[in-house]
Amino acid sequence: DAGVTQSPTHLIKTRGQQVTLRCSPKSGHDTVSWYQQALGQGPQFIFQYYEEEERQRGNFPDRFSGHQFPNYSSELNVNALLLGDSALYLCASSAGTPDTQYFGPGTRLTVL
Amino acid sequence: GENVEQHPSTLSVQEGDSAVIKCTYSDSASNYFPWYKQELGKGPQLIIDIRSNVGEKKDQRIAVTLNKTAKHFSLHITETQPEDSAVYFCAASRVGAGKSTFGDGTTLTVKP
Repeated sequence: DAGVTQSPTHLIKTRGQQVTLRCSPKSGHDTVSWYQQALGQGPQFIFQYYEEEERQRGNFPDRFSGHQFPNYSSELNVNALLLGDSALYLCASSAGTPDTQYFGPGTRLTVL
Repeated sequence: GENVEQHPSTLSVQEGDSAVIKCTYSDSASNYFPWYKQELGKGPQLIIDIRSNVGEKKDQRIAVTLNKTAKHFSLHITETQPEDSAVYFCAASRVGAGKSTFGDGTTLTVKP
């Protein structure tokens, strides 16, 4: 049973560029949440998708947007990249009542 | 919003000793408290969780206790082993809400 997968593993971008990160949830899971983890800190909630709709959003600007596809996979898009966007981006999936979340390995984004 | 504080930030123990990590939360409506272990280069892995209708939960060498009145919960690891060395995160959320608020993590080092 494949767990949560994310791509790419690493990404280097320059300020002002746009980036798209991808996530495939664990088999049987229909809810996907995205988190940003800065170095030395805990993950911070960006938003959550369920039934292809954004269900909840954390304190992140509109530059951060997402999408969920009919197969439950998800994308995180970040526009107009800033140096401060450099972080590990984590995807977590859950089933039904989204309490127990399973995390993927993350995508390490570096903005130069 | 919810605020989770985690202590200590670093913890070093001898192999075989016990380790305790403590967290406090601010939102009295939070009722789901997971603990994650994150190894270098990997995403957080759920190791144990507890819901507010339970005061204690144990899984082999790992246990979690919850004091709802004081709004704090703790992770206890007994008979520590070198492979327990990692960063541990506590989190808090409301059942069904999906959004987890994380502490800043505890780096546990188990010396052989």
